[in-house]
Amino acid sequence: ILNVEQSPQSLHVQEGDSTNFTCSFPSSNFYALHWYRWETAKSPEALFVMTLNGDEKKKGRISATLNTKEGYSYLYIKGSQPEDSATYLCACVTPISGTYKYIFGTGTRLKVLA
Amino acid sequence: GAVVSQHPSWVICKSGTSVKIECRSLDFQATTMFWYRQFPKQSLMLMATSNEGSKATYEQGVEKDKFLINHASLTLSTLTVTSAHPEDSSFYICSARVPGPPFYEQYFGPGTRLTVT
Repeated sequence: ILNVEQSPQSLHVQEGDSTNFTCSFPSSNFYALHWYRWETAKSPEALFVMTLNGDEKKKGRISATLNTKEGYSYLYIKGSQPEDSATYLCACVTPISGTYKYIFGTGTRLKVLA
Repeated sequence: GAVVSQHPSWVICKSGTSVKIECRSLDFQATTMFWYRQFPKQSLMLMATSNEGSKATYEQGVEKDKFLINHASLTLSTLTVTSAHPEDSSFYICSARVPGPPFYEQYFGPGTRLTVT
């Protein structure tokens, strides 16, 4: 059974702090990794998709890195703002039985305090 | 672009009744849609893959007669929870695969919270 783990499960940071989360996944059978930002009652919003070892992606104050050999990805938020409060999900895309399946982590719930 | 809607956003039903959840791709045609379920403090788990015009493919442990999936058009898939019981109370979310490369991108609906009393 493929297992994707995220840590920490939740955290509170002060406005202006920088923070980072981890997504760990099996390095075998890896195809791609997605990061999503998910606010309550909304659709998960795609942040990044990464496929190559060493990939780094950036969108404003948020960036992500990927290490497929050791099976982890980091998501960084620089200068956190209250509007960054959300659950951050990662999903490992893996080919299974002739199709691509998403294996999700449990998410990291971020609360940014003003 | 790539917007997926889901209806209803929440529903409360009595034990033994059936509930239908709709998933629509609003601005693209989706030959493949997916249904996930999330129990508290757990990750989103794939229940089934819904293919337009053919039978859905269910993941191991998911009862196909209990969770009926119909994907009758390129923009609509429905999940019907038949004879719902309290243990079916969960968060159900659908996604749709965007056609074309890279062939694995999925866009998600906002989900449906089902409570069975």
